[in-house]
Amino acid sequence: QVRLQEAGPGLVKPSGTLSLTCAVSGISISSHHWWNWVRQPPGKGLEWIGEIFYSGRSKYNQSLKGRVTISVDKSNYQFSLKVSSVTAADTAVYFCARDPSPNGSDGFDIWGQGIMVTVSS
Amino acid sequence: SYDLTQPPSVSVSPGQTASITCSGDNLGEDYASWYQQKPGQSPVLVIYQDNKRPSGIPERFSGSNSGNTATLTISGTQALDEADYYCQAWDKSTARIFGGGTKLTVL
Repeated sequence: QVRLQEAGPGLVKPSGTLSLTCAVSGISISSHHWWNWVRQPPGKGLEWIGEIFYSGRSKYNQSLKGRVTISVDKSNYQFSLKVSSVTAADTAVYFCARDPSPNGSDGFDIWGQGIMVTVSS
Repeated sequence: SYDLTQPPSVSVSPGQTASITCSGDNLGEDYASWYQQKPGQSPVLVIYQDNKRPSGIPERFSGSNSGNTATLTISGTQALDEADYYCQAWDKSTARIFGGGTKLTVL
């Protein structure tokens, strides 16, 4: 059974960097899947942040203006998210999710439980 | 890339058919997925590649995508279908985008 689990600080200071990891279990992170990050501000809709393939190829939501970096750590079976120069607008529940197709066309069939991150001093 | 527009809310009576639309320029040229999200829970994939149902999703959920509009149809709607529904488009060059979400109320 494939499982994803987010981890990281629940509170980040303004102008700082938000760092989260997503632990993958039940399947090799080197499988030909796309590993994604999605966020949801309180009371609002879903926003796609970006994704990474096991090879390291990545794609990002251009609206985040280059503040985002996603990386994969094969040795620790996890992938990571960094968002720099955060503001209160980055306060959200952050989800990691998987698209099981090599070309990224199958939607997100597995999601983590989500982690709430608040940006505040 | 483009914006995806969904109606903020849709109401349906139990046993009736609910249709939720998702509009975007030439959306029919890209694949559409649909997610169901209940309060405090992670989203659940209910339709992918326009009209395919993942294992475990009831047959009453179906999808279509043509022109500028993708549609999620729930036949014989049940009270447990009450949730927020999000469409998502996949474009092989620019990746992914979500619609704003639709709150489905089963009256």
